[in-house]
Amino acid sequence: KNQVEQSPQSLIILEGKNCTLQCNYTVSPFSNLRWYKQDTGRGPVSLTIMTFSENTKSNGRYTATLDADTKQSSLHITASQLSDSASYICVVSRNRDDKIIFGKGTRLHILP
Amino acid sequence: GAGVSQTPSNKVTEKGKYVELRCDPISGHTALYWYRQSLGQGPEFLIYFQGTGAADDSGLPNDRFFAVRPEGSVSTLKIQRTERGDSAVYLCASSPRGDRATSGRSDTQYFGPGTRLTVL
Repeated sequence: KNQVEQSPQSLIILEGKNCTLQCNYTVSPFSNLRWYKQDTGRGPVSLTIMTFSENTKSNGRYTATLDADTKQSSLHITASQLSDSASYICVVSRNRDDKIIFGKGTRLHILP
Repeated sequence: GAGVSQTPSNKVTEKGKYVELRCDPISGHTALYWYRQSLGQGPEFLIYFQGTGAADDSGLPNDRFFAVRPEGSVSTLKIQRTERGDSAVYLCASSPRGDRATSGRSDTQYFGPGTRLTVL
């Protein structure tokens, strides 16, 4: 079954700290994986995209990793800021028919 | 603005009524997607347009849901005989070419702010 599982469901950290969000998927055949950031009351915004051959991709303080063998991805946020408070959604595309499967997201709260 | 816009931002209706939700994609984007998002969940795919045609409508939950894109730009999601379970945020997204770009990577989807539908 093609699934995308994210953990933790929610996370609370202090401003300035680092954190890592996890995404495990069973989508096959794999095409690419994206991380989206969704602020409350807004639509998701793409942070990174990785294909099969890419292991890591950075976007400012956001660094995504991909292990296509174990079908795992992580999103690492460095020196968190209050504006990082949002939901982070992992999205995997299937190569056969370009179906896009969304994870449920990790809700991140940054405390001052 | 150059982003995806959706109207209305909020819609409250009574059970059994008909509603229309509008999406204005980014100019020139040929692909348009509709999603439904419930609280604490990721977006749930509803339908995907490539130009004027629905390339994939497998996510529409039942025949009360219908969407059109007659001129290949603006799209309208139509819900008949609304039910309380239809309450959710309806997101629209557009992308330049669609799911598959020449490099084999799916195009980035640009999302609108969503329409929050509440069925009383």
